[in-house]
Amino acid sequence: GAVVSQHPSWVICKSGTSVKIECRSLDFQATTMFWYRQFPKQSLMLMATSNEGSKATYEQGVEKDKFLINHASLTLSTLTVTSAHPEDSSFYICSANPGGRRDTQYFGPGTRLTVL
Amino acid sequence: KQEVTQIPAALSVPEGENLVLNCSFTDSAIYNLQWFRQDPGKGLTSLLLIQSSQREQTSGRLNASLDKSSGRSTLYIAASQPGDSATYLCAVMNSGYSTLTFGKGTMLLVSP
Repeated sequence: GAVVSQHPSWVICKSGTSVKIECRSLDFQATTMFWYRQFPKQSLMLMATSNEGSKATYEQGVEKDKFLINHASLTLSTLTVTSAHPEDSSFYICSANPGGRRDTQYFGPGTRLTVL
Repeated sequence: KQEVTQIPAALSVPEGENLVLNCSFTDSAIYNLQWFRQDPGKGLTSLLLIQSSQREQTSGRLNASLDKSSGRSTLYIAASQPGDSATYLCAVMNSGYSTLTFGKGTMLLVSP
């Protein structure tokens, strides 16, 4: 149980295009989902926290108009990188809190984004 | 602001050695601490989770300890194997909210 999936697992796009990454909790309802970014040999950095049915909370320094997050249901959150640039190339990982459990996060397998 | 530091950044050992990975955090008001394994290009695998009221957790050849007052945790790996080669991440969950703060990780290479 407690499986989180991400789609796609990797994506290559041209500079200026938008890319959508999906995060799904497969066997539980996730009231809260988190989006992280990881650059090579760096730690995971929290980008934003999304709660189902409300606006995401972005960490300092993360552009909310560039990284659009939608958490429309209890099992799906999406991250859209708008007008992607090469510096947005990174590994994006989502995690999810099962409903009522704030002390546990289940992580997705990650999405490798390469912007040419 | 919570900061998590992991030492060493990289470690290379021959198979069979016992080893210790270190993690320190600046704010002791944590809810729990977790150790993860990350293989290259992959997501995270949770290894051990220690609640703030606990001192240690064990799973197979892995043992993690927590000294909350001094802001330190160690991950002990016994009888290391080549399959243990990966990056090990330490993360703390801060009291009051469920966000995690990660360290940069220790890259472990166990040679046959």
